[in-house]
Amino acid sequence: QVQLQESGPGLVKPSETLSLTCTVSADSISGYFWSWIRQSPGKGLEWIGYIYYSGSTNYNPSLKSRVTISVDTSKNQFSLKVKSVTPADTAVYYCARAIGAAANYRYFDYWGQGTLVTVSS
Amino acid sequence: QSVLTQPPSVSGAPGQRVTISCTGGNSNIGAGYDVHWYQQIPGAVPRFLIYGNTNRPSGVPDRFSASKSATSASLAISGLQAEDEADYYCQSYDNSLSGFFVFGTGTTVTVL
Repeated sequence: QVQLQESGPGLVKPSETLSLTCTVSADSISGYFWSWIRQSPGKGLEWIGYIYYSGSTNYNPSLKSRVTISVDTSKNQFSLKVKSVTPADTAVYYCARAIGAAANYRYFDYWGQGTLVTVSS
Repeated sequence: QSVLTQPPSVSGAPGQRVTISCTGGNSNIGAGYDVHWYQQIPGAVPRFLIYGNTNRPSGVPDRFSASKSATSASLAISGLQAEDEADYYCQSYDNSLSGFFVFGTGTTVTVL
């Protein structure tokens, strides 16, 4: 079955850029939407954005000005960048596959294990 | 920032039935968009529990059921078991602004 694994620094300084990569295995990245979702300590889930394998993206309006998601189909990976981070961006970041014929039907069926990113000087 | 509201907590004794509500508005659930549910056991990764309002993926016990009406949805757990103690989140799509996915505020289920 599909497996997702996040990788990247666990500590980022305030005002710098958070960068994470998700590697997809046991299936091709092509044909699906791929998302980033985060969960602040003790809080709920927040959708960050998604990318289609072709490169089209959609972002959470509350984060759109600071977020970029990209895809590398040759490596079966997609990536997240969040610029100008603050301690409020401290969270467990999950990558996930979104499945569904259209946006209004989509849900997240496979998730990575999550990686904790702490924003602190 | 969530536009889907859930009760913070519900509890029940083993064997009882509990329900979790998910209340949205006209730009999400009320617009006819599907509602999905996730279970997150403490310290674990969320797993999808219900998709397309009422459908259980393989491996999810039939103790879990869900429904949707107007601008809200609900998840029911019948025959509550200790292993059901977890956080539960609803999720849908919202067509405001450029359109985005939204999760509910989350509900902690405690088995007494």
